[in-house]
Amino acid sequence: QKEVEQDPGPLSVPEGAIVSLNCTYSNSAFQYFMWYRQYSRKGPELLMYTYSSGNKEDGRFTAQVDKSSKYISLFIRDSQPSDSATYLCAMQDSTLTFGKGTMLLVSP
Amino acid sequence: DARVTQTPRHKVTEMGQEVTMRCQPILGHNTVFWYRQTMMQGLELLAYFRNRAPLDDSGMPKDRFSAEMPDATLATLKIQPSEPRDSAVYFCASGLVFGQSYGYTFGSGTRLTVV
Repeated sequence: QKEVEQDPGPLSVPEGAIVSLNCTYSNSAFQYFMWYRQYSRKGPELLMYTYSSGNKEDGRFTAQVDKSSKYISLFIRDSQPSDSATYLCAMQDSTLTFGKGTMLLVSP
Repeated sequence: DARVTQTPRHKVTEMGQEVTMRCQPILGHNTVFWYRQTMMQGLELLAYFRNRAPLDDSGMPKDRFSAEMPDATLATLKIQPSEPRDSAVYFCASGLVFGQSYGYTFGSGTRLTVV
């Protein structure tokens, strides 16, 4: 079992939809949880960063962490075509471990 | 905005040649990671440094890869000799870790093709 599991997608939604992206993990030592967005042929860009369980909101984006279930989520409200990208979850103990990413396609 | 600068952006080389990739981390950041990204494996950690000291390079094939930080403004990743299976995008990321971590900023990557 990989340390971090993430559905690769692609996930296709119409503009305006609510998007839910998820990761599960197995390492209880992970303390920090991040979501990165990666556009084609670009480097990953940090979107959200959380420490411990709970919710964090930033504009249209909400990150949730449930450490008891080892499950993290990213919600995107009112999705836009510009949100089309690959979304990578990442988790940190001493190093940073990534999921393989979920490709999101938002159609106009 | 502060950014992580990687050079070159693209590199095509013949099998057996030496490849050197460079990274300028964000000024003041004390942690630097090197990752390799492929379609099959995703982002794989190769090495990381804290305050220029190597902390973990267990992800690197030691016989051909080496990573160094000669000073706080430069990290290098070398492959010698290169092989076609090394073809990938290599990313450098930097961040500030002081008790807590606050996330990492990635460079634009070096796209390496070994023929």
